[in-house]
Amino acid sequence: EVQLVESGGGLVQPGGSLRLSCAASGFTFSSYSMNWVRQSPGKGLEWVSYISSSSSTIYYADSVKGRFTISRDNAKNSLYLQMNSLRAEDTAVYFCARAYCSGGNCQWFFDLWGRGSLVTVSS
Amino acid sequence: SYELTQPPSVSVSPGQTARITCSGDTLPKQYAYWYQQKPGQAPVLVMYKDSERPSGIPERFSGSSSGTTVTLTISGVQAEDEADYYCQSADSSSTCVVFGGGTKLTVL
Repeated sequence: EVQLVESGGGLVQPGGSLRLSCAASGFTFSSYSMNWVRQSPGKGLEWVSYISSSSSTIYYADSVKGRFTISRDNAKNSLYLQMNSLRAEDTAVYFCARAYCSGGNCQWFFDLWGRGSLVTVSS
Repeated sequence: SYELTQPPSVSVSPGQTARITCSGDTLPKQYAYWYQQKPGQAPVLVMYKDSERPSGIPERFSGSSSGTTVTLTISGVQAEDEADYYCQSADSSSTCVVFGGGTKLTVL
C-alpha cells in the first residue's frame, strides 16, 4: 500500500526540541521530493519545508527558517524534521507530503499525505 | 510572499452545484491546486493545474481559471462532499508555497 506514516510528535516545552519522522512505503521514495506541511488547531494549512529527492535542494518557510531542519534517508525510506527552539505558535499537526513527480520532474503540489503527527508546545 | 483568498464558507443543498473561489495576484501566472480535507483526516488532492482531475476523483469535481480567480466546482453535490477545501499555488521564483485560508463546504 502506498502510504506515509508520521511519528515523533508530543508535548514539549517552549524552547525545546523534537524530531519528527515520516516512513514511506509502497513507492520508490528516492525518486520523490518531499515536504512538511502543518496545520494549527482549527486553522488552515501552512507549508513548512521542502527537500529534493537527492537532498541537494532544501527550502524553508520564513516562520521556521533557522530553527527547523529537514532531512531524509533514502536507504531507510524516511523523511525527518528536526525542530529546535520551539514556540507556542509551532503547535500543530505536522503532515509529510509527497510532491507530484512525473518523468523525473517534480512539481509544487502534493499528491500523497500522511495522517499527521501532533506537536504541542506548552509549559 | 503572497496570499490566496477563499470565502470562509459555502452552503448548498444536495444535488445543487457548489462553487468555491480562490483569488490571488499570481494566479494568472501560476497554476492552482485544490485539496479536500475531512475532519481528522489528511488532505486529498482533488484538482491540479487549475482543471486537471486526479484519478479516483469523481467527475462531478471540475476546475476553471479566469484572471486572478480560480474556481472549484462540484456539480450534483453529495453529503460526502462536506469538507474543508483549500486552494494552493506556488511561486518558484521565491520558492514559496501558499495555501488559501480554506472554505468549509456545508451540505444542507
